[in-house]
Amino acid sequence: GAVVSQHPSRVICKSGTSVKIECRSLDFQATTMFWYRQFPKQSLMLMATSNEGSKATYEQGVEKDKFLINHASLTLSTLTVTSAHPEDSSFYICSASYRTDSLTDTQYFGPGTRLTVL
Amino acid sequence: SQQGEEDPQALSIQEGENATMNCSYKTSINNLQWYRQNSGRGLVHLILIRSNEREKHSGRLRVTLDTSKKSSSLLITASRAADTASYFCATRGGGGNKLTFGTGTQLKVEL
Repeated sequence: GAVVSQHPSRVICKSGTSVKIECRSLDFQATTMFWYRQFPKQSLMLMATSNEGSKATYEQGVEKDKFLINHASLTLSTLTVTSAHPEDSSFYICSASYRTDSLTDTQYFGPGTRLTVL
Repeated sequence: SQQGEEDPQALSIQEGENATMNCSYKTSINNLQWYRQNSGRGLVHLILIRSNEREKHSGRLRVTLDTSKKSSSLLITASRAADTASYFCATRGGGGNKLTFGTGTQLKVEL
């Protein structure tokens, strides 16, 4: 149980185009979804947290207009990289959680999306 | 800034040996979690230890937590080549539900 999928797994796009990445919780309803970015051989950096039906909360330094997050349902969140540039090339990972209690809630991670902007 | 720092950054051992990775963090936490990431893949949750726990086991994994020193360790016993991956600690603290990841340890288990 607790499977999270991401689509697409890889995407290559031209500079200036927009790219949408989907994150789905397949067998549970996610109260919260998270979007991370990971550069090669580095750790995950949280970009934003989204709760179903409300606006995403972005981390400091993350451009809201650049990285649009929509959490339309309890099983789907999307990240749109607008007007992508080569420096946006990265590995984007989503995770989803359902809140149990503050000591044991677990995030379940998707397999990631490799974005390459030419 | 990174909440967690892990050491070593890289670890290479022979199959059958034990691997120990350490994680230090800076602020108070509710729980600490360890994840594994194979190259170019997503993260797999390994184990969660609550702030009021000191040690936890899961199969070949043993995690300790010392909140007074703000540190945790992950021990993998009898390592296998399939254990080759990056391992990250992540802390959850305060009233929020965000995870803050450490810098990671790249483990290589050689045959």
